[in-house]
Amino acid sequence: AQKVTQAQTEISVVEKEDVTLDCVYETRDTTYYLFWYKQPPSGELVFLIRRNSFDEQNEISGRYSWNFQKSTSSFNFTITASQVVDSAVYFCALSEAGSNYKLTFGKGTLLTVNP
Amino acid sequence: GAVVSQHPSRVICKSGTSVKIECRSLDFQATTMFWYRQFPKQSLMLMATSNEGSKATYEQGVEKDKFLINHASLTLSTLTVTSAHPEDSSFYICSAPTSGGITGELFFGEGSRLTVL
Repeated sequence: AQKVTQAQTEISVVEKEDVTLDCVYETRDTTYYLFWYKQPPSGELVFLIRRNSFDEQNEISGRYSWNFQKSTSSFNFTITASQVVDSAVYFCALSEAGSNYKLTFGKGTLLTVNP
Repeated sequence: GAVVSQHPSRVICKSGTSVKIECRSLDFQATTMFWYRQFPKQSLMLMATSNEGSKATYEQGVEKDKFLINHASLTLSTLTVTSAHPEDSSFYICSAPTSGGITGELFFGEGSRLTVL
């Protein structure tokens, strides 16, 4: 069975600090997909990234970056120079190949960025 | 780009009534859709997989007679919460892949917040 662990329940930082959200996953499949979503208070899920298991390159998108380490089964997310608008719940999720993107979500990390 | 739309976004109903939530893929056909439920301050839990033209597949612990899922067309899946009770109050959200495999994309609806009084 697959599992996603986000050990950090809540993180609070001051604006402009860098913050890393941890995600550790478990799966028996060799082909799988990892996702990060942002969920603001309104509830909708905002897609941030999808990474397939064959692509271990780290990715940077503006202030966001992701570190995918298959050796440790981790897919961590870093926000550089955090802003108040980054405050939200962030979910890491896993989908096994052939599942049509049926996702298993982690419990989420509530990030609060204070001015 | 592809969009998945849910309706209604918010619904309040009395205990014992039934509520229908729609999930539509607006510009692509979705043979499969997924329904998730999210209780306050918790994660999203998969309830069921909706399959066009066939019965839905429910996750363990989800009552199929209480949460009726119908996927009668390639662009519409509906979730009906029958005889709703206050403990059914939750955020329900659907997702739909544009296709299978590595080239497909996944889209989520905006979610529907159900409050049962």
